[in-house]
Amino acid sequence: SAVISQKPSRDICQRGTSLTIQCQVDSQVTMMFWYRQQPGQSLTLIATANQGSEATYESGFVIDKFPISRPNLTFSTLTVSNMSPEDSSIYLCSVGWGANTEAFFGQGTRLTVV
Amino acid sequence: GDSVTQMEGPVTLSEEAFLTINCTYTATGYPSLFWYVQYPGEGLQLLLKATKADDKGSNKGFEATYRKETTSFHLEKGSVQVSDSAVYFCALSIGNQFYFGTGTSLTVIP
Repeated sequence: SAVISQKPSRDICQRGTSLTIQCQVDSQVTMMFWYRQQPGQSLTLIATANQGSEATYESGFVIDKFPISRPNLTFSTLTVSNMSPEDSSIYLCSVGWGANTEAFFGQGTRLTVV
Repeated sequence: GDSVTQMEGPVTLSEEAFLTINCTYTATGYPSLFWYVQYPGEGLQLLLKATKADDKGSNKGFEATYRKETTSFHLEKGSVQVSDSAVYFCALSIGNQFYFGTGTSLTVIP
């Protein structure tokens, strides 16, 4: 397993601003992912964070809106850019070690855009 | 494609009642199956897992059996407690892809 520290845990932001969410893992991991969970709904994968290269985005998500960094095997950031109220959601960092294995999640960042 | 279909909620039970949350899956290969639990204001925690057919995952009184013939992974608990109130997600992993069900909200009343 892994201990995943995600910061901030919550924030209230003005529309048009950007927020960067950090995800720190206590051990090296193969895979890191970012999810969005809108109120009362399931998880939607935003992107896979690739160490040393550009993230792989899912359909409907673009780098300009959700830039991601992963400088090493234990750390990643997700930025939510030019926010609007529709971006209000929980953002979750997740890690894994290989095919068909379980994923572990951070506590999530609860974002409210006003 | 690969997917997970999960019983709709919300589910409300009295304490000590029997719980079943249905989950079926579609997969082109041989997935691993999971149940995750999300308590209010928290991230997802792995509850149990099964990696091959006929495996039974269990944890904290919860059980689920990987049934390949019915492509199911139903979650059960014999006697629920108020502290089990949470949202439960069925999930499958195949290759490096993860697929989640829509989640089932469980409320247990004293």
